[in-house]
Amino acid sequence: AQSVSQHNHHVILSEAASLELGCNYSYGGTVNLFWYVQYPGQHLQLLLKYFSGDPLVKGIKGFEAEFIKSKFSFNLRKPSVQWSDTAEYFCAVRLYGNKLVFGAGTILRVKS
Amino acid sequence: EAGVTQFPSHSVIEKGQTVTLRCDPISGHDNLYWYRRVMGKEIKFLLHFVKESKQDESGMPNNRFLAERTGGTYSTLKVQPAELEDSGVYFCASSRYTGTGGSGANVLTFGAGSRLTVL
Repeated sequence: AQSVSQHNHHVILSEAASLELGCNYSYGGTVNLFWYVQYPGQHLQLLLKYFSGDPLVKGIKGFEAEFIKSKFSFNLRKPSVQWSDTAEYFCAVRLYGNKLVFGAGTILRVKS
Repeated sequence: EAGVTQFPSHSVIEKGQTVTLRCDPISGHDNLYWYRRVMGKEIKFLLHFVKESKQDESGMPNNRFLAERTGGTYSTLKVQPAELEDSGVYFCASSRYTGTGGSGANVLTFGAGSRLTVL
């Protein structure tokens, strides 16, 4: 069965530190890849997506992700985190139809 | 445009009782999805409506769960009778189109979720 693995469940960083959240998926075909974020008390929001083309995609709030097909990875990065980035981050892969398969989520806490 | 609306935001019920969750998708979105997150685990797909028809209900856990979308607008998800393991957050999402690739019109927009606690 297709699965998405997020490497860290909890990450704690200080403001201005760099962030990289790992995401690997198990599926050999064409995929669409997403990162969603859920800020405390809010709904899931799309952070960025990859469909095709340039494997380095930029999203909102200074986030970017790199699709590495050979590694089945789609890691999320931000050069300098802010306290307001405290949230839970979800990696997801879309297969056929519009069904998303999510990772378990990574809770990021940024200390001010 | 208004987002995906779900209510109630939180429901606490006793084991054996019935709960109905409601989702109002973004206007014009024919595709409506239900997902569930149980106890901090992965968010998992439950089912997908295209207008009023069930396109894919492969993720529905058992026959205690009944989803409807009469008229192709809002949807309800009923759990009857509720069990302890049904506790979790139920997310609804909608999109105008489906399919991989293409334009962003096939990207899912999620609601805030309905938290269900079964005691």
